[in-house]
Amino acid sequence: DSGVTQTPKHLITATGQRVTLRCSPRSGDLSVYWYQQSLDQGLQFLIQYYNGEERAKGNILERFSAQQFPDLHSELNLSSLELGDSALYFCASSVAVGTSGRARGTDTQYFGPGTRLTVL
Amino acid sequence: EDKVVQSPLSLVVHEGDTVTLNCSYEVTNFRSLLWYKQEKKAPTFLFMLTSSGIEKKSGRLSSILDKKELFSILNITATQTGDSAIYLCAAGGGATNKLIFGTGTLLAVQP
Repeated sequence: DSGVTQTPKHLITATGQRVTLRCSPRSGDLSVYWYQQSLDQGLQFLIQYYNGEERAKGNILERFSAQQFPDLHSELNLSSLELGDSALYFCASSVAVGTSGRARGTDTQYFGPGTRLTVL
Repeated sequence: EDKVVQSPLSLVVHEGDTVTLNCSYEVTNFRSLLWYKQEKKAPTFLFMLTSSGIEKKSGRLSSILDKKELFSILNITATQTGDSAIYLCAAGGGATNKLIFGTGTLLAVQP
């Protein structure tokens, strides 16, 4: 158990719908990362938040958005869902970004159990 | 463009064999290389390497980083069926510690 929690475990929904995935980082971790893992694409970085603010963006579609709340939990919102959005969505957290505002590059990211999204 | 390439894509071995998994990377402002093991669900952390030439060991697993040649290897000795999994390599870089993952190596250990 990594200490990162994600809900729900599994989501099944129809095309065109919107879903929200939730992640609680490990206690003390300020950085949250979202990843998408599909069979043909592997693990793809989507977006990172640090202490409530967006820090980095990866291959995240415009239909997707995320935020990190004051209690440090994060939500990933997926809208206008398409069949191709079916995937495992992981959240990871790491200890901190340094006091200078720059990432401590030696921080390990610990992954939550993932949410499996199935779009029918 | 940043990328991480793992090889082989998959391999099948018998229990007791030794395997070597390869990972090469091209990442801007490289900081660290991480190995994860993914069985059923979430990747679980194995090693993080930041310094070249220093081997990290954990039981039958070991890993080393070569920052000059931009690659890392993960060795598993005396493999067991429980080692069967996808092994993911990720390189972290830049100001945000963003990880770029390889596609993984699928290891199947047969009894």
